[in-house]
Amino acid sequence: AQTVTQSQPEMSVQEAETVTLSCTYDTSESDYYLFWYKQPPSRQMILVIRQEAYKQQNATENRFSVNFQKAAKSFSLKISDSQLGDAAMYFCAYIGSNYQLIWGAGTKLIIKP
Amino acid sequence: DTEVTQTPKHLVMGMTNKKSLKCEQHMGHRAMYWYKQKAKKPPELMFVYSYEKLSINESVPSRFSPECPNSSLLNLHLHALQPEDSALYLCASSQTTSGGNTDTQYFGPGTRLTVL
Repeated sequence: AQTVTQSQPEMSVQEAETVTLSCTYDTSESDYYLFWYKQPPSRQMILVIRQEAYKQQNATENRFSVNFQKAAKSFSLKISDSQLGDAAMYFCAYIGSNYQLIWGAGTKLIIKP
Repeated sequence: DTEVTQTPKHLVMGMTNKKSLKCEQHMGHRAMYWYKQKAKKPPELMFVYSYEKLSINESVPSRFSPECPNSSLLNLHLHALQPEDSALYLCASSQTTSGGNTDTQYFGPGTRLTVL
C-alpha cells in the first residue's frame, strides 16, 4: 500500500524568506502523480503544484517549486519570498493507479511578519 | 476555470434533522467526490461518483446518502447524524478516474457541519 509522510507538523518562516516543506512517500508503482495542496484558515483546499513521476524536471508555479527525487521517494516544496497569505496547512498527496488520493498528515506553515 | 461550489457554508443541525449538502461544478468533469475532514487532519474519502454512478463507498454509515442527479451536481443527504459527524465536508471533482493527469482533484470551499 502507498503511504505519504510529512514529518514536520509545524514550520515557521520570516516573511520574504524561503522555506522548504518535506514529504516522503512509499510506493511500488512506477507511474503516479504527486501534489501539494494548501488549506488556509478559509478552509478551501487549493492545488499548489503537481508533479508527474515520469518527468524528471521539477515542477514550478511562480514562487512555489518542488524538489522531486524519484529514487529517494522524496517530494519537497520550496516557497520563495514567503508572504503572509502563504500561511496555511500544506498537504502532500499521492495518486496512482487506483485514482484515490493518499494524503500526508499535513504541515502547518506560520509566516512571521 | 477550476471552480467547485458548495452550499451551505455552515450548517447546524440536530440529531433528528434531515438536511442536504450541495456541490456543483461546471468544468465538464465526470468524477465527483465527497470527503470528511476533521480539524488538523487530512481529508477522508467518503464517496466517489464516476459518470454519475457510485464507484466507491468507503464504508460510510447509512445516515449519509449521496446522490448525483447529473454530471454537474452532487448532493449529500444527512439524516439522524451523531455529534461525532461534526466536521468539514469537502466536495471535489476531476476530469476522470482513468488515471494520469486527468485525475487531478479540485476542491470546493467546504461545508462546516455541526451536529448538536
